[in-house]
Amino acid sequence: GESVGLHLPTLSVQEGDNSIINCAYSNSASDYFIWYKQESGKGPQFIIDIRSNMDKRQGQRVTVLLNKTVKHLSLQIAATQPGDSAVYFCAEKPQGGSEKLVFGKGTKLTVNP
Amino acid sequence: NAGVTQTPKFRILKIGQSMTLQCAQDMNHNYMYWYRQDPGMGLKLIYYSVGAGITDKGEVPNGYNVSRSTTEDFPLRLELAAPSQTSVYFCASSSLSNQPQHFGDGTRLSIL
Repeated sequence: GESVGLHLPTLSVQEGDNSIINCAYSNSASDYFIWYKQESGKGPQFIIDIRSNMDKRQGQRVTVLLNKTVKHLSLQIAATQPGDSAVYFCAEKPQGGSEKLVFGKGTKLTVNP
Repeated sequence: NAGVTQTPKFRILKIGQSMTLQCAQDMNHNYMYWYRQDPGMGLKLIYYSVGAGITDKGEVPNGYNVSRSTTEDFPLRLELAAPSQTSVYFCASSSLSNQPQHFGDGTRLSIL
């Protein structure tokens, strides 16, 4: 069935290090993937998205990698800063018809000064 | 632009009471969504709308109703509040289904 999960529920890194947050998805028909950042008491904030016809997309300090062979999505944050501390969610959208985004449970990233 | 605005931010209800959670967006987005987020969990879709006058059920619609009379507004109605509906409710909007959804800051609802 449809499910989006995360390998690690928490991740702790040192300021300035690179962070990698992983996500596994089960629906091979999903054609759109998105990463959100959620700070305490706020709504999810869009970070970056990627479509299934791509395997890599870069933004400002962030890169999303999509491996369709093993149904794996990752978010890389370069030079992690204390302001990056938050819960990160991946979400997938199955192809065709449904408007539903399937969200994972989230990974809590803590950046230590 | 204000983006997606949700009111109220907090509410406590008694079992059996009813209330409407308000959501408004000023981005002229056709698509609007309601999610609930339980502690330590991801978001689950309650209802969505692809345009004014059109609504459809999501993953967890039981106990809720919605309407979409205008492009801007998408209220969520709880008719008979139950403790299981204690959650944080997020409204979101997007221009197209394969575009990022923009979220409000949520309504924290407790039912006692």
